Amino acid sequence: AQKITQTQPGMFVQEKEAVTLDCTYDTSDPSYGLFWYKQPSSGEMIFLIYQGSYDQQNATEGRYSLNFQKARKSANLVISASQLGDSAMYFCAMRESANAGKSTFGDGTTLTVKP
Amino acid sequence: DAGVIQSPRHEVTEMGQEVTLRCKPISGHDYLFWYRQTMMRGLELLIYFNNNVPIDDSGMPEDRFSAKMPNASFSTLKIQPSEPRDSAVYFCASSRGTEHNEQFFGPGTRLTVL
Repeated sequence: AQKITQTQPGMFVQEKEAVTLDCTYDTSDPSYGLFWYKQPSSGEMIFLIYQGSYDQQNATEGRYSLNFQKARKSANLVISASQLGDSAMYFCAMRESANAGKSTFGDGTTLTVKP
Repeated sequence: DAGVIQSPRHEVTEMGQEVTLRCKPISGHDYLFWYRQTMMRGLELLIYFNNNVPIDDSGMPEDRFSAKMPNASFSTLKIQPSEPRDSAVYFCASSRGTEHNEQFFGPGTRLTVL
């Protein structure tokens, strides 16, 4: 079974609007970390934001926030005030304490910001 | 810190040739990962090391692929013999080893096998 599911292969958003990229995960481990990475067309993988399974508050990093709903096992990325430079592929990933060495990545969502 | 360093950045070779990709992880990181990314298959984990020891190589496609980590600051991924279907971007990443730590990716090596 897929441990990380990103159901949106592609998304469009108007510049300056907010957008939510979906991510659901599957684990029985009580301690885990959830991560979002950005891959622009230039190819590098850039870490954006992290949420720990025991964190009570949603993580925020500038215009990025993570809508963490533990009971629903979802960790959606919210990008506020989209910019043209946000156009990229976005990956959700998870690391579990029982297997902390290994990250499981989703298939990614391609976000296109329209001017 | 310089980040994760990979070389070469681009490699073009002919089918049947040996290819060696190199990676220098961030100092102090005890985990090192090799990934392959293609349009068809997405991002695939090939192998990862902990403290220079291979932990999981189940993602290595076949015996033509091998990886080594002789010390904490260097790793290689070798393909011998190379085939056109090996054409992909190969990423090396490193991290500290808990579920709370993000991975730091290198810039990738774009491999083309003709």
